[in-house]
Amino acid sequence: EVQLVQSGAEVKKPGESLKISCKGSGYRFTHYWIGWVRQMPGKGLEWMGIIYPGDSEIRYSPSFQGQVTISADKSINTAYLQWSSLRASDTAMYYCARHTTAADIYDAFDIWGQGTMVTVSS
Amino acid sequence: DIQMTQSPSTLSASVGDRVTITCRASQSISNWLAWYQQSPGKAPKLLIYKASSLESGVPSRFSGSGSGTEFTLTISSLQPDDFATYYCQQYSGYSRTFGQGTKVEIK
Repeated sequence: EVQLVQSGAEVKKPGESLKISCKGSGYRFTHYWIGWVRQMPGKGLEWMGIIYPGDSEIRYSPSFQGQVTISADKSINTAYLQWSSLRASDTAMYYCARHTTAADIYDAFDIWGQGTMVTVSS
Repeated sequence: DIQMTQSPSTLSASVGDRVTITCRASQSISNWLAWYQQSPGKAPKLLIYKASSLESGVPSRFSGSGSGTEFTLTISSLQPDDFATYYCQQYSGYSRTFGQGTKVEIK
């Protein structure tokens, strides 16, 4: 079964760092772009960026460039989203999702992780 | 960034109704458009890709059309599981964007 399994919920304080993960299984992890999507409480979906684990090519949304870092470790089939200094406004559900077609950068997301809730509060 | 505008923001309908949601792009995106359904507390689910291609396993009452800057998602006969929020997404540009969502409520 093709699936993405994300790390568990996090509660952090402003200024702390955080790295959440997304582990792929059931398919050739290095061959499919993986993206991250933010959903703030009660709000819509926001596309953050995508990474191709095969060569770690990354594209960021201008809204998130410099605010987060996307990475991947192909040896363990895992993609990451990290923050160096969290803010209260980073409180949201974060989803990882896989492109539908191998190696296709222009594509929709067909497989989604279950989401990781990140709460930032003092 | 390419902006995506959905209408309406909220739609009230009954089981069996035909429902249409519109998504407009700020510039031409050819047919690089997807539609997703999100139920409360769940991850989004892909319904339509390349504007009109039905994702495997999605009921045929869902259909998509359009190209360029104007697109529609149609549900031919609304079922109880269809009361959810729907998002369009363009994947034409360097950066991808979602519409703001359309919530389909029970009338």
